[in-house]
Amino acid sequence: EILMTQSPATLSVSPGERATLSCRASQSIGGNLAWYQQKPGQTLRLLFYGASTRATGIPARFSGSGSGTEFTLTISSLQSEDLAVYYCQQYNNWPLTFGGGTKVEIK
Amino acid sequence: QVQLRESGPGLVKPSQTLSLTCTLSGGSINNGDYYWSWIRQPPGKGLEWIGYIYYSGSTYDNPSLKSRVTISVDTSKNQFSLKLSSVTAADTAVYYCAGRSSGWYFDYWGQGILVSVSS
Repeated sequence: EILMTQSPATLSVSPGERATLSCRASQSIGGNLAWYQQKPGQTLRLLFYGASTRATGIPARFSGSGSGTEFTLTISSLQSEDLAVYYCQQYNNWPLTFGGGTKVEIK
Repeated sequence: QVQLRESGPGLVKPSQTLSLTCTLSGGSINNGDYYWSWIRQPPGKGLEWIGYIYYSGSTYDNPSLKSRVTISVDTSKNQFSLKLSSVTAADTAVYYCAGRSSGWYFDYWGQGILVSVSS
């Protein structure tokens, strides 16, 4: 089973500043990585697949990058509505596995 | 727009079987483009993929759950279901149903249902 490790666990960022979230896989997963956003009290929303392909309706301030074992989700200019927990998920190997999440707080 | 909704008991006794249903609206569960999954999230922990089903009835589940999982589909009701046997407190979680239409990532998610295992 591939272990997905996200860091930091919590990230506090001022509005308008950049937020950088990391996701590491225990072995290479190529580009088979998805990112999700879970706002308080809501279900999960797909942000990216293929590590860097934005899902429908996702604002351009969000970007995804990386391959192999190291991946990054960047929010270029944090907005108050970006308060959420962000999860990565690998789909290169069975079983599908998720990271533990990064909680983004507004400073 | 595809929407998913989980339903079932919020409390299950230890050693019993947890049973949940996911109802699809805005689409057909017979759509061969989709696979349907169950995913759970224990309180304060990360997400765990449980298993999937295709409309034909083919399934695959997470080996970590040691064959306690049964996933079935009822195309006439546009539903798919989860049964998890021999539950313990460790199975307490929010259970989500989800759907994928291309790669093995999830485009559609239900709102989730909290199931507690307690006597």
